[in-house]
Amino acid sequence: KAGVTQTPRYLIKTRGQQVTLSCSPISGHRSVSWYQQTPGQGLQFLFEYFSETQRNKGNFPGRFSGRQFSNSRSEMNVSTLELGDSALYLCASSSGWTLGGYTFGSGTRLTVV
Amino acid sequence: QKEVEQDPGPLSVPEGAIVSLNCTYSNSAFQYFMWYRQYSRKGPELLMYTYSSGNKEDGRFTAQVDKSSKYISLFIRDSQPSDSATYLCAIFNDYKLSFGAGTTVTVRA
Repeated sequence: KAGVTQTPRYLIKTRGQQVTLSCSPISGHRSVSWYQQTPGQGLQFLFEYFSETQRNKGNFPGRFSGRQFSNSRSEMNVSTLELGDSALYLCASSSGWTLGGYTFGSGTRLTVV
Repeated sequence: QKEVEQDPGPLSVPEGAIVSLNCTYSNSAFQYFMWYRQYSRKGPELLMYTYSSGNKEDGRFTAQVDKSSKYISLFIRDSQPSDSATYLCAIFNDYKLSFGAGTTVTVRA
């Protein structure tokens, strides 16, 4: 059974640019969440989607957005990149039956220069 | 106030020792408690899952929740070098996980 797949694995962008990250959840999982991990702030929640509906959003500026498609795949977009957006972005999926029991992908390492 | 607090360590123990990890949380209404393990350059993986209070055991791992003191613990018995990783406590509420800072554990052979 394939795990959570995130693409690309690594990305280098310039300040002011925008970026789109992709996540394919485990087959059958309808809940997809995104997290940002940095050495200073740790793991922080970005947003969660279930059946194309955003059910919760973390305390991030509006430059961070996401969406979920009908096949449960999800994308997140960061516009007008800042140096502080450099982080590991993790996607996680869940069947929804085990509350909090998420399977994480290996992440996309974003570096903003 | 952060929803969950965790001592970031690091923690270094000899092989075979018991590893004890702890977190405190702020809201007594929280019901779902997890421990995730994260190896370098990997995403976190779910290790233990506890609903409400009490103990849960899985092999060498025991998770405890004390709701009266808002304290969650993870114990690793007979620790192995392969247990060297970062351990993160987490609380699930309102469709989101709130993580502790993570404790980096090194088990010395």
